[in-house]
Amino acid sequence: ELKVEQNPLFLSMQEGKNYTIYCNYSTTSDRLYWYRQDPGKSLESLFVLLSNGAVKQEGRLMASLDTKARLSTLHITAAVHDLSATYFCAVDMKEYGNKLVFGAGTILRVKS
Amino acid sequence: EAGVAQSPRYKIIEKRQSVAFWCNPISGHATLYWYQQILGQGPKLLIQFQNNGVVDDSQLPKDRFSAERLKGVDSTLKIQPAKLEDSAVYLCASSLAQRGGGRNNEQFFGPGTRLTVL
Repeated sequence: ELKVEQNPLFLSMQEGKNYTIYCNYSTTSDRLYWYRQDPGKSLESLFVLLSNGAVKQEGRLMASLDTKARLSTLHITAAVHDLSATYFCAVDMKEYGNKLVFGAGTILRVKS
Repeated sequence: EAGVAQSPRYKIIEKRQSVAFWCNPISGHATLYWYQQILGQGPKLLIQFQNNGVVDDSQLPKDRFSAERLKGVDSTLKIQPAKLEDSAVYLCASSLAQRGGGRNNEQFFGPGTRLTVL
């Protein structure tokens, strides 16, 4: 069974600081997605990573995928309060009909 | 482009009652998913349709949950009878992905239905 582990599960950081969220998964996959969820809201797609070595950047967020290590990272640069949300990674199990398995989520709180 | 629509947004029922949720996916999206998100957890797939056929319902509690997508567009998810542990947000998502083809399975989520079972 595919397991997707995110860490940390909770992250409190000061504005202006950098940090990385990690997403490890237990089986082979070359497709991974990052989503953002604000309290009481639905999931918003952030990044689509479709191959080994893929790197995507949007504003202060950068995501990467290492399929050999079964690891994706979401790096936050110079955090601002507006980035406070819960971040989920989701691994695509294409051999099971493109089923997505989500991590437990990382709650990010950026303090001003 | 219109997003994934869901209704109702909120529902409060008593245990043993029945409830139904409705989802309209993004136009042209072949694949539709229902997820259950319990507070503090990531979404868990309940059922996946491709057009009007079921691809995966391995985590659907079939003694009480049912879902259909009769014309390959809209879908309904029903719980009968509801239990306290069914309290969660039910998310519908859709994607262009066809099984066995295409590389991007990016899923687009609706606003969800928050169910409270008392």
